Amino acid sequence: AQSVTQLDSQVPVFEEAPVELRCNYSSSVSVYLFWYVQYPNQGLQLLLKYLSGSTLVKGINGFEAEFNKSQTSFHLRKPSVHISDTAEYFCAVSEGASNFGNEKLTFGTGTRLTIIP
Amino acid sequence: DTEVTQTPKHLVMGMTNKKSLKCEQHMGHRAMYWYKQKAKKPPELMFVYSYEKLSINESVPSRFSPECPNSSLLNLHLHALQPEDSALYLCASSYGPPPREQFFGPGTRLTVL
Repeated sequence: AQSVTQLDSQVPVFEEAPVELRCNYSSSVSVYLFWYVQYPNQGLQLLLKYLSGSTLVKGINGFEAEFNKSQTSFHLRKPSVHISDTAEYFCAVSEGASNFGNEKLTFGTGTRLTIIP
Repeated sequence: DTEVTQTPKHLVMGMTNKKSLKCEQHMGHRAMYWYKQKAKKPPELMFVYSYEKLSINESVPSRFSPECPNSSLLNLHLHALQPEDSALYLCASSYGPPPREQFFGPGTRLTVL
């Protein structure tokens, strides 16, 4: 069974500083990895995803993540954060192997990123 | 059209009421999902519809009844809910060869009195 661990429940960062949000996963098969962002009182928006190929994945809003198979990690990074990045960030894993588009997403518990002016 | 819409945005209901949540997408997606999200928690999967057939039910109480009338529409019928069912209910959809990205709607904020 797949699982996702986000060890940091809250991460405060000064504006324009770099940030890394950690995500580790556990799975017995190949996985697909996702980072979603949720702004207050909104749904989830996909930031980026790892499918295969290059281990460095670039997403929207200047975010990127690196897939590390040996460490089973998929940490999210941004070189310089802005006030608007304040949100909840969820890492998710899918072991999707079906052909029907109904694979399950398993979410981590989330990391609350707070940007300090 | 690349969005998932949900109505209503907010819903307040009593424990004896019957109400429905609606979700719609026009992206040609053939899988649709209902999630429940409590405050400061990740979304929890409730149901998955694939090609308009219920494919996953995560042991959800029968007071929640999903329905997929067509490939673009997903409903969640609510009856005799409990206060602990108050939460944000998110709909999502996905389509395409593996792996598939799920697109989420903005959610319905449900309060059960």
